[in-house]
Amino acid sequence: DTGVSQNPRHKITKRGQNVTFRCDPISEHNRLYWYRQTLGQGPEFLTYFQNEAQLEKSRLLSDRFSAERPKGSFSTLEIQRTEQGDSAMYLCASSSPPLAGGLADTQYFGPGTRLTVL
Amino acid sequence: AQSVTQLGSHVSVSEGALVLLRCNYSSSVPPYLFWYVQYPNQGLQLLLKYTTGATLVKGINGFEAEFKKSETSFHLTKPSAHMSDAAEYFCAVILYTGTASKLTFGTGTRLQVTL
Repeated sequence: DTGVSQNPRHKITKRGQNVTFRCDPISEHNRLYWYRQTLGQGPEFLTYFQNEAQLEKSRLLSDRFSAERPKGSFSTLEIQRTEQGDSAMYLCASSSPPLAGGLADTQYFGPGTRLTVL
Repeated sequence: AQSVTQLGSHVSVSEGALVLLRCNYSSSVPPYLFWYVQYPNQGLQLLLKYTTGATLVKGINGFEAEFKKSETSFHLTKPSAHMSDAAEYFCAVILYTGTASKLTFGTGTRLQVTL
């Protein structure tokens, strides 16, 4: 088990450019989450996939943000026309459904992609 | 609505001393509670979780937490701090919407361990 991986680990871009991040979840996990963490804050939920279906999006996810999980395995998060306010750590987490009778899954996080928008 | 409050953005302890990181939650339904640790420039690592059952939960690296419903608390403790425990610690609660199990995090507590 190699854990959740994310690429790139760091990305520096100029305002107005597009960026794309990739997340590879733990192989047997069908649930995938994206979170954003700004300096001095805890992570905030962005979006959720179950297999290839994007089932929930936060209001934080403006129309400049798009996420995909085309084959139910890896996922990409794209930010178009980046703004300085997009500078943050973008975290991906994966999980499998909770055991019978349970409601909550346990999410395992990747190392994150730190985005800096100049 | 659910929220998490972590009292103390910075906590400093001596090596070998007790570690106590405080977390209070508000939830209209029985909560699922988690503690994660984050080392510099890394993602979050699960320390421990409470879902149901025993209210004293043991985690990795000698940490444990006790769920106290009457106090709406889930404080994290470790009997003896080690230099390697220096990191940022996040308490989180699950907001279950029927589809996603969204984690709602506190603002974090940075633990400093001194000699």
